[in-house]
Amino acid sequence: EVHLVESGGGLVKPGGSLRLSCAASGFTFDTYIMTWVRQAPGKGLEWVSSISSGSTYIYYADSMKGRFTISRDNANNSLYLQMSNLRAEDTAVYYCAKGSITGTTHDYWGQGILVAVSS
Amino acid sequence: QSALTQPRSVSGSPGQSVTISCTGTSRDVGGYTYVSWYQQHPGKAPKLMIYDVAKRPSGVPDRFSGSKSGNTASLTISGLQAEDEADYYCCSYAGTLEVFGTGTKVTVL
Repeated sequence: EVHLVESGGGLVKPGGSLRLSCAASGFTFDTYIMTWVRQAPGKGLEWVSSISSGSTYIYYADSMKGRFTISRDNANNSLYLQMSNLRAEDTAVYYCAKGSITGTTHDYWGQGILVAVSS
Repeated sequence: QSALTQPRSVSGSPGQSVTISCTGTSRDVGGYTYVSWYQQHPGKAPKLMIYDVAKRPSGVPDRFSGSKSGNTASLTISGLQAEDEADYYCCSYAGTLEVFGTGTKVTVL
């Protein structure tokens, strides 16, 4: 059974940094694209970043470029999101999601982790 | 990249059908056959309901169906049930990025 468990969230001051982790199990991690998606309180889903199975291809939403860095450790079945220069508008629940075998969708999602940016 | 446009809410009685539209552009919905739909109950993670415009993952009831015409994709829920009450989001591949819809709240009357 596929499990995705996010960790590392919490309260951080504007301008601060935070590193999210996603521990994956139940599938061959190094075969699939992995993605971060976020959802601000009471708002819709927003794609953040995706990384290919071997980390060759990495993509970011424009508003995250230069501030967020996605990475993965296939040996430890883990996905990461390093966030820096955080702003109040980055406050959201962050989900990690597994890519499908076709790479065209996200078939499993973690339960999400809250990041709150406030002074 | 702007969010795809969905109606804010739709409603129907049990047993009825409802359709949610998802309007984008030729750079996203209209340019690819990679539209997905996700269901999200309050406080829960999104769940994949439809992918590649019209494919259903195993375990998703066949009451859920997807289609696309031009720059607009649609999700139809037939035989509406109480447990279908949730938020629904479309999502489209758009080259080197993805874009989600604004979300639609489905209410079962």
